[in-house]
Amino acid sequence: GAVVSQHPSWVICKSGTSVKIECRSLDFQATTMFWYRQFPKQSLMLMATSNEGSKATYEQGVEKDKFLINHASLTLSTLTVTSAHPEDSSFYICSADSRTGWDYNEQFFGPGTRLTVL
Amino acid sequence: DQQVKQNSPSLSVQEGRISILNCDYTNSMFDYFLWYKKYPAEGPTFLISISSIKDKNEDGRFTVFLNKSAKHLSLHIVPSQPGDSAVYFCAASYTGTASKLTFGTGTRLQVTL
Repeated sequence: GAVVSQHPSWVICKSGTSVKIECRSLDFQATTMFWYRQFPKQSLMLMATSNEGSKATYEQGVEKDKFLINHASLTLSTLTVTSAHPEDSSFYICSADSRTGWDYNEQFFGPGTRLTVL
Repeated sequence: DQQVKQNSPSLSVQEGRISILNCDYTNSMFDYFLWYKKYPAEGPTFLISISSIKDKNEDGRFTVFLNKSAKHLSLHIVPSQPGDSAVYFCAASYTGTASKLTFGTGTRLQVTL
């Protein structure tokens, strides 16, 4: 199946710094990418949807100025957590969708990035 | 507002037996449902899906049943294997939202020897 990678797989940073997470579709072009956050023992919560070349659509309650998303190409989306705080510590997962029709199977998830803010 | 719920946080089943994981949803606009398997510190992997026009879909050891009137779906794994031990998430989507998924809270399945 299609492969989605994330980098880094884990990161520890100091409070107040910014962290960039990359999501790449390795063997297909992703028209849409999604960013999720998962807190321990909780569900995956959709943060935002990004389409190549356009602004991301954020879910209610997600601060767009804090979580900057850039979908610069059909194979790369980045999530930047700006001025990170300990409460931003979480597991961030991206997914990529190459679907051109209505085949919902075509969403592939990355392995996730564990962010710890000290 | 949790639109997709998995009321059993954990389930333990003996190897070879059937595992039944349940999922309930509240949004009647959902018309496509998926099950994902997830290991710790990894992204979810797709297992099986079902459209609302069907009430059953089967793929090898995995079968998903959909009861639209009850807004309930279930995943059956037969026979269960130790490698099936993981957290299982159901997810729902509806036409018009691309593939935007709403995930359930997850059920941790433990298959014992």
